[in-house]
Amino acid sequence: EIVLTQSPGTLSLSPGDRATLSCRASQSFRTSLLAWYQQKPGQAPRLLIFGASSRATGIPDRFSGSGSGTDFTLTISRLEPEDFAVYYCQLYGNSPWTFGQGTKVEIK
Amino acid sequence: QVQLVQSGAEVKKPGASVKVSCKASGYTFTDYYMHWVRQAPGQGLEWMGWINPNSGGTNYVQKFQGWVTMTRDTSISTAYMELNRLRSDDTAVYYCAFAVAGNQGLSYWGQGTLVTVSS
Repeated sequence: EIVLTQSPGTLSLSPGDRATLSCRASQSFRTSLLAWYQQKPGQAPRLLIFGASSRATGIPDRFSGSGSGTDFTLTISRLEPEDFAVYYCQLYGNSPWTFGQGTKVEIK
Repeated sequence: QVQLVQSGAEVKKPGASVKVSCKASGYTFTDYYMHWVRQAPGQGLEWMGWINPNSGGTNYVQKFQGWVTMTRDTSISTAYMELNRLRSDDTAVYYCAFAVAGNQGLSYWGQGTLVTVSS
């Protein structure tokens, strides 16, 4: 079973800053079936990125995903106030659909 | 529009069972596998498994095998997740969700159902 490790655990940034979130897999997987989700308190997660780099419908272009193999990155080019939240990566397609433990992006 | 509406919060005693429902609307229920994900208070997301609403086939994470049962009623476009022998650490918000295509992640989510296990 592949384990996803996200870093850092918490990212303290200001609005307008660039955020770089990492998701590392314990072993390489051939497909780039890696998704990123945003979750705000009291809400269900929202799909941001699928296939490692494709934005989901309605997601602003300040969100971008990249990577392959074992190392994946979510970048938020300029943080807006509504972007402060917890972000999870997820491996999907083959069971189990593992989640990373999350990265909290908080206001500095 | 697509909606997944889950049943309300539950309070259960240790050892009891809970059955959470997820009613789908706005799309053809049998077209997409329904997944269940849980989140303990202050913790991350934990994927539990899926059910194929068309065939009823299921795929559970090994941890939940023999302990969780996912079913569906296609006549009312509703999926169910039943968890048995509840323990206090099963206290969590349980979500249903589905992916619109095999190469995408979980694009639609229910609002979540809080299950509290307490004596």
